[in-house]
Amino acid sequence: EDQVTQSPEALRLQEGESSSLNCSYTVSGLRGLFWYRQDPGKGPEFLFTLYSAGEEKEKERLKATLTKKESFLHITAPKPEDSATYLCAVHYTGNQFYFGTGTSLTVIP
Amino acid sequence: GAVVSQHPSRVICKSGTSVKIECRSLDFQATTMFWYRQFPKQSLMLMATSNEGSKATYEQGVEKDKFLINHASLTLSTLTVTSAHPEDSSFYICSALDVNTGELFFGEGSRLTVL
Repeated sequence: EDQVTQSPEALRLQEGESSSLNCSYTVSGLRGLFWYRQDPGKGPEFLFTLYSAGEEKEKERLKATLTKKESFLHITAPKPEDSATYLCAVHYTGNQFYFGTGTSLTVIP
Repeated sequence: GAVVSQHPSRVICKSGTSVKIECRSLDFQATTMFWYRQFPKQSLMLMATSNEGSKATYEQGVEKDKFLINHASLTLSTLTVTSAHPEDSSFYICSALDVNTGELFFGEGSRLTVL
């Protein structure tokens, strides 16, 4: 069954402690993989789209990478303001999207 | 990046009344929009897919007569919660698919409280 799995469910980091979030997928017919940031009480904010294995994109302290089976969101030297829930979504044929359940990131000062 | 505007951001209504939530793509055309419901500390739950000029496709378990969706133009979709009850209180979020880029953008969400 097609699905998207994110890990870990929750992550606590000290400020400056780099780490990675994982999004693995078993969807066939991938059209794109998206990363979003969601703050409490708000809609998800678009971060990146990745389309093919080997692709990488960066934005400030965040870097997203994609392989044939998973994507990583690397956070370098995080700050408390990076605390949020990070969602990944897979866009596949038929204009349908599968969402992961998110990783709740807390960065402690 | 592209902007999706959702309005209202918060609404409080009495039980039995109907509430309309609007979702607009401000700088791109969206033939497809999606409506979600999100419970506290849970992920997005897809309610329906809205296609411009045609009937919405509802997910299993979502009452189409309860949650009316209209996608009358390439930039606007509306969700009407009819005869709202307290159990309909939730955070509703829309998203719009940019047909040119294939990217999906979300609105800010609407917090519905039914008294």
